[in-house]
Amino acid sequence: AQSVAQPEDQVNVAEGNPLTVKCTYSVSGNPYLFWYVQYPNRGLQFLLKYITGDNLVKGSYGFEAEFNKSQTSFHLKKPSALVSDSALYFCAVRDMASNTGKLIFGQGTTLQVKP
Amino acid sequence: GAGVSQSPSNKVTEKGKDVELRCDPISGHTALYWYRQSLGQGLEFLIYFQGNSAPDKSGLPSDRFSAERTGGSVSTLTIQRTQQEDSAVYLCASSLATSKGREQFFGPGTRLTVL
Repeated sequence: AQSVAQPEDQVNVAEGNPLTVKCTYSVSGNPYLFWYVQYPNRGLQFLLKYITGDNLVKGSYGFEAEFNKSQTSFHLKKPSALVSDSALYFCAVRDMASNTGKLIFGQGTTLQVKP
Repeated sequence: GAGVSQSPSNKVTEKGKDVELRCDPISGHTALYWYRQSLGQGLEFLIYFQGNSAPDKSGLPSDRFSAERTGGSVSTLTIQRTQQEDSAVYLCASSLATSKGREQFFGPGTRLTVL
C-alpha cells in the first residue's frame, strides 16, 4: 500500500536556526512528492514539489526539499527559521495506482519556531 | 486571481440533519477534489471530479455522503443524516489537470460540527 510517514508530531527550533521536517514515503514506481503548509483556520498552501530531475527542489518562502530515492525520503528544510514559519506542515505523495492525481498525506508535523 | 473558495466557513448542525457544503474552484481547473481533515484520521481523500463526472468516489465513507459538480465548476458535497463522527474540516482543492504532477490548490475549508 502507498503511504507517507512524518515521524515527528512536532519540531521545535529557535529563530535563525536551520530547520528540517522529515518525510518518508512508500509507493510503487517513481513518486510525485509535495509539501504543503497550513496556518490556523486556513486551507493548505502549496510549498514545493518533486516530479523529476534535480533532487534538490526549491519552493516558496525560502523552503527547499531533498528527494532521496535510496532512503525513500523527502525532507523539508530551511536554512534560517522565522517565527512566522510556525505552522502545520504536510508531506504528500500522488497516488500512483490511479490516474486521478489524488494525494496521500502524512499525518502532519507542527513546526514551532521560538524567538 | 481568485483562489478556491468554500462556503460556509463554519457549519453547526444537529445529528440527523442534512448539510450541503459548496466549493468554487479556480476558473479553468478541470480537476476537483474533496478531502476531509479530522483529528483522528488526518487528511483523507473523499472524491475526485474530472469535469462533471466523478470517476473516483472511493474515499466517501458511507452512502450518506454524495457530491456533484455542475458546469465543470461549482461542486456540492452533501452529507445526509449527519452523525457526530462526521465532524471535521472539509477541504476542496482544484488543479489544471491530473497529468505531470500538477499541484492542487486548496480552499480554506468548511468546519462542520455535528452536535
